[in-house]
Amino acid sequence: KAGVTQTPRYLIKTRGQQVTLSCSPISGHRSVSWYQQTPGQGLQFLFEYFSETQRNKGNFPGRFSGRQFSNSRSEMNVSTLELGDSALYLCASSPGRKNTEAFFGQGTRLTVV
Amino acid sequence: AQRVTQPEKLLSVFKGAPVELKCNYSYSGSPELFWYVQYSRQRLQLLLRHISRESIKGFTADLNKGETSFHLKKPFAQEEDSAMYYCALSGRGGSEKLVFGKGTKLTVNP
Repeated sequence: KAGVTQTPRYLIKTRGQQVTLSCSPISGHRSVSWYQQTPGQGLQFLFEYFSETQRNKGNFPGRFSGRQFSNSRSEMNVSTLELGDSALYLCASSPGRKNTEAFFGQGTRLTVV
Repeated sequence: AQRVTQPEKLLSVFKGAPVELKCNYSYSGSPELFWYVQYSRQRLQLLLRHISRESIKGFTADLNKGETSFHLKKPFAQEEDSAMYYCALSGRGGSEKLVFGKGTKLTVNP
């Protein structure tokens, strides 16, 4: 089985721009979660989608948004980028049944200059 | 509020020595606890979860509800155990959301 795939792996953007990150979950997984990882704050939960519905949202500003498609693939979007948005963004997928193992992707490294 | 605390950012032991990575949590209810590991240049992966009460790669972790702790232990550390370890908590609601600690970097010296 192919693992969780995130694209692109690296991105450099300018302040004020917007960016879209993509995540393809493991086949058959219906839950996709997104996390932001920074040296100072560690891993912070952004949001979770299950069957195209946002099931939970972390404490991030409205500039951060996401969606999930009918094939379970997910995208997250960050608008009006700020320098502090520079981070590794991780996607995780799971079957969706409670407390099963979350499988993580390699992440997208976003640098805002 | 849900919170996971890993008090040690760095932990260094010698090969063959016992190792204990500490994890304390705060949660108003009965959480599910996990340990995730990230080896160098690899993706984050599940090491073990308290609900399955199993030993993986010689590691065990016991949930102590009285002390709200979920420490990770291994009696004899190996060099290949060197990695970043994250303790994580999930509530019993309908979400898969994980709350992570900030991680402990374990180095096992030869």
